[in-house]
Amino acid sequence: QVQLQQCGAELVKPGTPVKMSCKVSGYTFTSYVISWIKQTTGQGLEWIGYIYPESGSTGYNEKFKGKATLTVDKSSNTAFMQLSSLAAGDSAVYYCARVAQDYWYFDFWGPGTMVTVSS
Amino acid sequence: DVVLTQTPPTLSATIGQSVSISCRSSQSLLHSNGNTYLHWLLQRPGQSPQLLIYSVSRLESGVPNRFSGSGSGTDFTLKISGVEAEDLGVYYCVQGTHAPNTFGAGTKLELK
Repeated sequence: QVQLQQCGAELVKPGTPVKMSCKVSGYTFTSYVISWIKQTTGQGLEWIGYIYPESGSTGYNEKFKGKATLTVDKSSNTAFMQLSSLAAGDSAVYYCARVAQDYWYFDFWGPGTMVTVSS
Repeated sequence: DVVLTQTPPTLSATIGQSVSISCRSSQSLLHSNGNTYLHWLLQRPGQSPQLLIYSVSRLESGVPNRFSGSGSGTDFTLKISGVEAEDLGVYYCVQGTHAPNTFGAGTKLELK
């Protein structure tokens, strides 16, 4: 069965980066796009960007350009998102989701990584 | 960015009651290729969102057929025909027609 595994939580200091992972199983990693989505109580759900695992090609929401960097490691079927220079507003739950490209919808979601930015 | 406005923000229902959630878009979601990329998600308490309906009215595999979606252009509706306890949570509409993807603010379904 399709699964996307994410680490549960990260506590990071302001100004530092964080890199989170999304390890997939149950399907061919390079056949589906991976998207990343941010969830906060105040802003709700926000789409960050996508990556094509086969080529590494990416697309970003303008709001997250310079903040998020998406990469993959095809050898381990893992997608990564690095967030730079963390601030309080980056505290959120971050989800990875598989994208069904025929109608561009998020058909499987990871459990999320809760990032807390605090000194 | 496209703004999706969901109403009502909160919905109280009894088991067995039929309910509807509206999602209105600030722009038409009809893509130039003829497809409409409007989808519905459910986030149960403590869980990640899950797909219910894609492309307005197509039921995701494994989703009960008491869920149905309709609409076109800028106005879309999710209907639950006979609420069950497992349906409680927050419902989101999401669009993929215009970059960037955007989500509605959610409709919380609770038991009356």
